[in-house]
Amino acid sequence: DGGITQSPKYLFRKEGQNVTLSCEQNLNHDAMYWYRQDPGQGLRLIYYSQIVNDFQKGDIAEGYSVSREKKESFPLTVTSAQKNPTAFYLCASSRAPRGTDTQYFGPGTRLTVL
Amino acid sequence: AQSVAQPEDQVNVAEGNPLTVKCTYSVSGNPYLFWYVQYPNRGLQFLLKYITGDNLVKGSYGFEAEFNKSQTSFHLKKPSALVSDSALYFCAVSPNNYGQNFVFGPGTRLSVLP
Repeated sequence: DGGITQSPKYLFRKEGQNVTLSCEQNLNHDAMYWYRQDPGQGLRLIYYSQIVNDFQKGDIAEGYSVSREKKESFPLTVTSAQKNPTAFYLCASSRAPRGTDTQYFGPGTRLTVL
Repeated sequence: AQSVAQPEDQVNVAEGNPLTVKCTYSVSGNPYLFWYVQYPNRGLQFLLKYITGDNLVKGSYGFEAEFNKSQTSFHLKKPSALVSDSALYFCAVSPNNYGQNFVFGPGTRLSVLP
């Protein structure tokens, strides 16, 4: 899991609540990513950030929001607009948003909506 | 659009036997290809990648992968499987354009039987 930390490991949310997942990296990487993992579907990209103060929507951004105020931090907020938020969320980072650069992953946060 | 297929949901192999986990891809231009492994409730760990050069790429934990451009494949192999290799394996493709993102396959669950 390298130098990427995610917290909390497990998160429970009531319907209608917003929750924020933390992702921090000490690798001095420019690019950071948020993925959602559901059984049998692989990883789907939610948001990514190529540099501080910039971020772009991925394939499934609806119901999510992010910020990138510091290079080492890329928090993800799951809003009440996300219809099916129960999933395993993975944060990753890479030195730069180039195709050759390996993405390194954090340990993940499992979100369950009660 | 780029895509990745992992045609087998599950691969079973006896300990000590060689293992192969298959991956085929579709991408315009030259691909960058990656293999990751995921243990239960953990993030993805990088195994190896192909960028250019020798078609046989060696990675962590004794794994290797062979890039075959004509068959658009990047199969993961190991000469002698260990029970501890049992995990979920993901193939990913990245286009060779700056700012483009990885596409992950759906994953293959490998079970190594003692």
